[in-house]
Amino acid sequence: AQSVSQHNHHVILSEAASLELGCNYSYGGTVNLFWYVQYPGQHLQLLLKYFSGDPLVKGIKGFEAEFIKSKFSFNLRKPSVQWSDTAEYFCAVNLSGTYKYIFGTGTRLKVLA
Amino acid sequence: EADIYQTPRYLVIGTGKKITLECSQTMGHDKMYWYQQDPGMELHLIHYSYGVNSTEKGDLSSESTVSRIRTEHFPLTLESARPSHTSQYLCASTPEGSGREETQYFGPGTRLLVL
Repeated sequence: AQSVSQHNHHVILSEAASLELGCNYSYGGTVNLFWYVQYPGQHLQLLLKYFSGDPLVKGIKGFEAEFIKSKFSFNLRKPSVQWSDTAEYFCAVNLSGTYKYIFGTGTRLKVLA
Repeated sequence: EADIYQTPRYLVIGTGKKITLECSQTMGHDKMYWYQQDPGMELHLIHYSYGVNSTEKGDLSSESTVSRIRTEHFPLTLESARPSHTSQYLCASTPEGSGREETQYFGPGTRLLVL
């Protein structure tokens, strides 16, 4: 069955530290890849997405993610986190051409001021 | 900024009651979805719709039903609520069109507690 794995459930960082959140999926076909963020008290919103082309995609607020097809991975990165990045981050995979979106269990990031 | 609304945001209700969770979007999106999310767990798709009068069950078995009589409205109904229905319910929609169609826009969610 298709699945999405997020390796870190909880991450605590100090401001200005670098961030990398792992995401791996299991599906052999064509996929669209997403990272969503949920700030405290707010709804899920799109951080960045990959459909095709350059495997390094840039999103809002300085986030970027790299799609490595051979590793079935779509890791999220930010070189220097801020306190306002405290949130829960979800990786999601859409099986291209289908209704199916598969979400990871999320990573709770806490950034200490 | 996506305009997708869910009401109520929080609901506490007794076992056996019938409830309807409302979801509306003003973006004219054809595709709409209902997910169930428990703390620390992934989102599970329980229903989706490709358009008016088109609804399908998702991968997660659910005792709820949905309807899609209007493009903008996708309510979810539980005929008889049980404590096992306690969860957060998220509504989402996607637009049609090249480059945008696969991005889901989410509502704020409804947190349901069944006593």
